[in-house]
Amino acid sequence: GAVVSQHPSRVICKSGTSVKIECRSLDFQATTMFWYRQFPKQSLMLMATSNEGSKATYEQGVEKDKFLINHASLTLSTLTVTSAHPEDSSFYICSAAGTGGYEQFFGPGTRLTVL
Amino acid sequence: GNSVTQMEGPVTLSEEAFLTINCTYTATGYPSLFWYVQYPGEGLQLLLKATKADDKGSNKGFEATYRKETTSFHLEKGSVQVSDSAVYFCALRGSNDYKLSFGAGTTVTVRA
Repeated sequence: GAVVSQHPSRVICKSGTSVKIECRSLDFQATTMFWYRQFPKQSLMLMATSNEGSKATYEQGVEKDKFLINHASLTLSTLTVTSAHPEDSSFYICSAAGTGGYEQFFGPGTRLTVL
Repeated sequence: GNSVTQMEGPVTLSEEAFLTINCTYTATGYPSLFWYVQYPGEGLQLLLKATKADDKGSNKGFEATYRKETTSFHLEKGSVQVSDSAVYFCALRGSNDYKLSFGAGTTVTVRA
């Protein structure tokens, strides 16, 4: 149980385009989802926290207009990187927590490369 | 605020060697402590956890004991295998909170 999937696993896009990444909880209801960014050989940086049906809470320094987060249902959250630039290239990881407690379950990550 | 300090790597070992990765933390109250493992190109997997002082988390031959007196949660394995090569993250979650604070990660390479 407690499986989280992400789609796509890898995406390459041109500079200036927008990219959407999906995060799904497959076997539980995720009341809270988290989006992280990981640079090569570095730790995870929390970008934002989203609760189903509410606006996301962004961490300091994360541009909310650049990284649009939607958590429209208890099993799906999306991260849209708008007008992507090469510096947005990174590994994006989502996690989800259900109603049963505070534990986060992590997705496998999405590798974004912006050319 | 909460923070985690983790031993810097990289760490290179031979098969069957003993592995230890140090982790200390700063937190108020009674945090929960975690070790996550990340294999190349993948997301994080929970390796083990401990939710209160003196608890020992264990999984796949790895162990870590929650030491409140030294604010530590060191990861150990008595005999590593090549398949243990990965990045290991120590993490903390505060009481009644969802947010995780991660250490910097330690890259472990085990050679045959």
